[in-house]
Amino acid sequence: GAGVSQSPSNKVTEKGKDVELRCDPISGHTALYWYRQRLGQGLEFLIYFQGNSAPDKSGLPSDRFSAERTGESVSTLTIQRTQQKDSAVYLCASSTLAGASGELFFGEGSRLTVL
Amino acid sequence: GENVEQHPSTLSVQEGDSAVIKCTYSDSASNYFPWYKQELGKRPQLIIDIRSNVGEKKDQRIAVTLNKTAKHFSLHITETQPEDSAVYFCAARGNQGNLIFGKGTKLSVKP
Repeated sequence: GAGVSQSPSNKVTEKGKDVELRCDPISGHTALYWYRQRLGQGLEFLIYFQGNSAPDKSGLPSDRFSAERTGESVSTLTIQRTQQKDSAVYLCASSTLAGASGELFFGEGSRLTVL
Repeated sequence: GENVEQHPSTLSVQEGDSAVIKCTYSDSASNYFPWYKQELGKRPQLIIDIRSNVGEKKDQRIAVTLNKTAKHFSLHITETQPEDSAVYFCAARGNQGNLIFGKGTKLSVKP
């Protein structure tokens, strides 16, 4: 596709349920990022994938959060036992250059609401 | 890890005035500093960036300056227009490759 695609665009879930968010990066982009943006807040770094290197998981807020990426394609962010404080927009971005400058192209985000 | 501080959190200017947003970073190894603009309800988009071997970069009404010694960089918008109203994020990238953002500045340009 032409841009970064995320699904679902909106997800409402009950507290305690698990959710899975998906990101399809731009074809050929080696780097993939996940950020969390609470309402009216900044972009909180979660995890960074670069090619086949070990991902940088330093931003994951707890062990309830995990992410995977298959090669240089799709990534999934999983949140287990969701809590109300997990409510936010989860943004995925991809870029061509790793470890160097390179524009991040963001998806539209997945808006998660935990009731 | 890298930490990026951004000020002010909100900024209101009259149309035609200039706006300045400042950021500091903690990791002296950081070498790339982009600025993103996020309009209400939309995704962030890159507006300008600067690398550590350059002190200043300009693109029409926007410019960015970098002071590596002091570890701070700034965004300057001249002749502001109502369509400049948005949230602006600075960011810094270190050798690890991840991009850390500041908390954002909400700019309001009053006509």
